Amino acid sequence: DIQMTQSPSSLAASVGDRVTITCRASQSIRNFLNWYQQKPGKAPKLLIYTASDLETGVPSRFSGSGSGTDFTLTISSLQSEDFATYYCQQTYSTPPTFGRGTRVEIK
Amino acid sequence: QVQLEESGPGLVKPSQTLSLNCSVSGESITSSGYYWNWLRQPAGKGLQWIGRLYGSGTTNYNPFFKSRVSLSGDATKNQFSLSLTSVTAADTAKYFCARWAIGEAYSFDSWGQGTLVTVSS
Repeated sequence: DIQMTQSPSSLAASVGDRVTITCRASQSIRNFLNWYQQKPGKAPKLLIYTASDLETGVPSRFSGSGSGTDFTLTISSLQSEDFATYYCQQTYSTPPTFGRGTRVEIK
Repeated sequence: QVQLEESGPGLVKPSQTLSLNCSVSGESITSSGYYWNWLRQPAGKGLQWIGRLYGSGTTNYNPFFKSRVSLSGDATKNQFSLSLTSVTAADTAKYFCARWAIGEAYSFDSWGQGTLVTVSS
């Protein structure tokens, strides 16, 4: 299985901050990398697919970049509704695997 | 707009079989553009993919579950099901069904709200 390593595992930030989360794959996954946001008690929500494409309806403050093994999710100006846990996922090979998550908390 | 909804027992005894259904509206489970999946998430932990169903009944499973897992679909009801045998406390988790878009997006674009299953005697 392809291992996905996210960092940091948690971070504390203020509204308006720029936040960056990284995800590294144990082998090249080209651009088959997706990002999800999950709030407590809810299902994950797709934010970014194929590394950098914004899902319909997702605010433009979210962006993704990277290819191969190293990827980044950036929130340009953190809003109150963005406090949540973020997961990266590879769909390059089966089984699709997820990172352990990055919890974004209020500073 | 596609909607998915999980249903099934919230409590299963150890060594028994966990059975869940996912009812889908807004898209046919026989559509060639999607895989239909089960995933799970233990409390406070990450997401694990269990398996997928597509087309007329083709399935793929996570080798982690070895021979314990089976997925099936009912096109007449537009729902698909998960069966996980010989459960233990380690199978206690929130179980989600989700749609995997096969096209350009190649991602899990729609999810059910999840259903909590506890394995306990």
